[in-house]
Amino acid sequence: DAGVIQSPRHEVTEMGQEVTLRCKPISGHDYLFWYRQTMMRGLELLIYFNNNVPIDDSGMPEDRFSAKMPNASFSTLKIQPSEPRDSAVYFCASREAGRINEKLFFGSGTQLSVL
Amino acid sequence: GENVEQHPSTLSVQEGDSAVIKCTYSDSASNYFPWYKQELGKGPQLIIDIRSNVGEKKDQRIAVTLNKTAKHFSLHITETQPEDSAVYFCAAGGQGAQKLVFGQGTRLTINP
Repeated sequence: DAGVIQSPRHEVTEMGQEVTLRCKPISGHDYLFWYRQTMMRGLELLIYFNNNVPIDDSGMPEDRFSAKMPNASFSTLKIQPSEPRDSAVYFCASREAGRINEKLFFGSGTQLSVL
Repeated sequence: GENVEQHPSTLSVQEGDSAVIKCTYSDSASNYFPWYKQELGKGPQLIIDIRSNVGEKKDQRIAVTLNKTAKHFSLHITETQPEDSAVYFCAAGGQGAQKLVFGQGTRLTINP
């Protein structure tokens, strides 16, 4: 398996524009997580899905953020409109069902810069 | 909710020496404590984990210890090598909680 695949690797956009980040989890993994990493706040969980259903979105900072998982092999994180403070590295991670808090497999991340 | 504190934020050691990174957590219900290593330009990768029914776990040069009474756990790396240079994150998670709370990270530098 190629692991968790995220695209794009880098995104530079202007304030006010819509940004869509994409993630393909590892096949067979039932959980998908979106994290944001910044120097100030470290790794923060934004939202996670179980079997394509959003379970906990309490980490989503504002209504400008939305996430979807239309099928088991694809998820998106959208920011509309984007702001400079959204600049961060966004990671997608997936894991198997079964044991509680089992190993997370992270993608390589999307470096987002909002000018 | 859970809060995880990690120290130090940066650590520099000579190659061959040992490195220790410490974390404390706040929620006594947490029972799973993984450590992740993040290399430049990559996502974090699990290197070792421990559950609350175990006090210590070793895997070659790395070990983790857990003190549930004091609510702290530590990562020990012995005989450090240049490839150990990275950012290390601790995390804590509880039974029934599907999400992990991460510490702020420790940037470890191994000096040749």
